[in-house]
Amino acid sequence: NAGVTQTPKFRILKIGQSMTLQCAQDMNHNYMYWYRQDPGMGLKLIYYSVGAGITDKGEVPNGYNVSRSTTEYFPLRLELAAPSQTSVYFCASSYTRDSNQPQHFGDGTRLSIL
Amino acid sequence: AQSVAQPEDQVNVAEGNPLTVKCTYSVSGNPYLFWYVQYPNRGLQFLLKYITGDNLVKGSYGFEAEFNKSQTSFHLKKPSALVSDSALYFCAVREAGTASKLTFGTGTRLQVTL
Repeated sequence: NAGVTQTPKFRILKIGQSMTLQCAQDMNHNYMYWYRQDPGMGLKLIYYSVGAGITDKGEVPNGYNVSRSTTEYFPLRLELAAPSQTSVYFCASSYTRDSNQPQHFGDGTRLSIL
Repeated sequence: AQSVAQPEDQVNVAEGNPLTVKCTYSVSGNPYLFWYVQYPNRGLQFLLKYITGDNLVKGSYGFEAEFNKSQTSFHLKKPSALVSDSALYFCAVREAGTASKLTFGTGTRLQVTL
């Protein structure tokens, strides 16, 4: 049971480039989330999804897009990379959002924009 | 709005000594409270949660946390620290029975030395 898998683990982008961060979960969880983690700032929610075909903005959605065509996959798209998007990105999943169940996290994608 | 405060950026303890990592929270209603641990280059791992009932919650790796409603606190504790406990610890809260998102603290780095 792999849990939440994120690829790539590391990436360096030039300003203005685009890329997709991949996230897959094999736990049949309905809810999936994208966070970014900046030093001393905790985790900030970028986007989340309550099921296939349904996505919504979190606290810091600007500069990002998501899609959820299946239960398993929840990719995060950066269209025009900016230095402010240098961060560590975590994908997480949970069976439901409105519950007492914990979220399960991937190991993150470390992204640098130069 | 809900919030979490972790007042200490870093906690230093000697191996074998008890440890406490502090967390205070603010929510409108009743809280669901969580502790997560993050090891270097890894995602967050769930340690324990408070939902309702006994104020002392036991979790993974010998950790426990005490819920104090009057002080709106949920401090993480362990009777005897290990060097391998050295990591980044996050407290998180969501309001029970609502669709509120999970709010994370900024994290506390625990350093256990021989």
